[in-house]
Amino acid sequence: DAGVIQSPRHEVTEMGQEVTLRCKPISGHDYLFWYRQTMMRGLELLIYFNNNVPIDDSGMPEDRFSAKMPNASFSTLKIQPSEPRDSAVYFCASRPHRQGPNTEAFFGQGTRLTVV
Amino acid sequence: QQQVKQSPQSLIVQKGGISIINCAYENTAFDYFPWYQQFPGKGPALLIAIRPDVSEKKEGRFTISFNKSAKQFSLHIMDSQPGDSATYFCAALNYGGSQGNLIFGKGTKLSVKP
Repeated sequence: DAGVIQSPRHEVTEMGQEVTLRCKPISGHDYLFWYRQTMMRGLELLIYFNNNVPIDDSGMPEDRFSAKMPNASFSTLKIQPSEPRDSAVYFCASRPHRQGPNTEAFFGQGTRLTVV
Repeated sequence: QQQVKQSPQSLIVQKGGISIINCAYENTAFDYFPWYQQFPGKGPALLIAIRPDVSEKKEGRFTISFNKSAKQFSLHIMDSQPGDSATYFCAALNYGGSQGNLIFGKGTKLSVKP
């Protein structure tokens, strides 16, 4: 397996524009997580899904942020409209069902978002 | 109760020295404690993990010490090398609970000087 795949790796956009980040989890993993990483706040969980269903979105900062998981192999995180304070590295991670072996979370390479 | 507190925020160690990073938690329902290592420009990757039924786990130069009564666990890096320079995150998970997400500490930036 190629691991968790995120795209794009880098995104530079102007304030007010819509940004869509994409993630392909590892095949067979039941959980998918979206994190945001900044120097000030570290790794913040934004939202996570179990079997494509959003379980906890309490970390989503504002209504400008939305996430979907239309099927087991794809998820998106959308910011509309984007603001400079959204600049961060966004990580997607996936992990298998909690009761199974090797249940650690695997992270993607991240998307570095810069909003100017 | 869901927090995991990690210290120090940054750490500088000489090559060959011992690096120690500490974490504390409140939720006694946590039953899985992994450490993640992150290099610049990369996503965090699992380094080593422990369950609370053991007090220590060792993999090569990396050791987790776990104190269930104190609700603390720590990462020890023996014979620290410049290649160990990275950011380290502790985390905790409750397998049996309704929450499926790892709770991460704030991270420790380790610099190993040659």
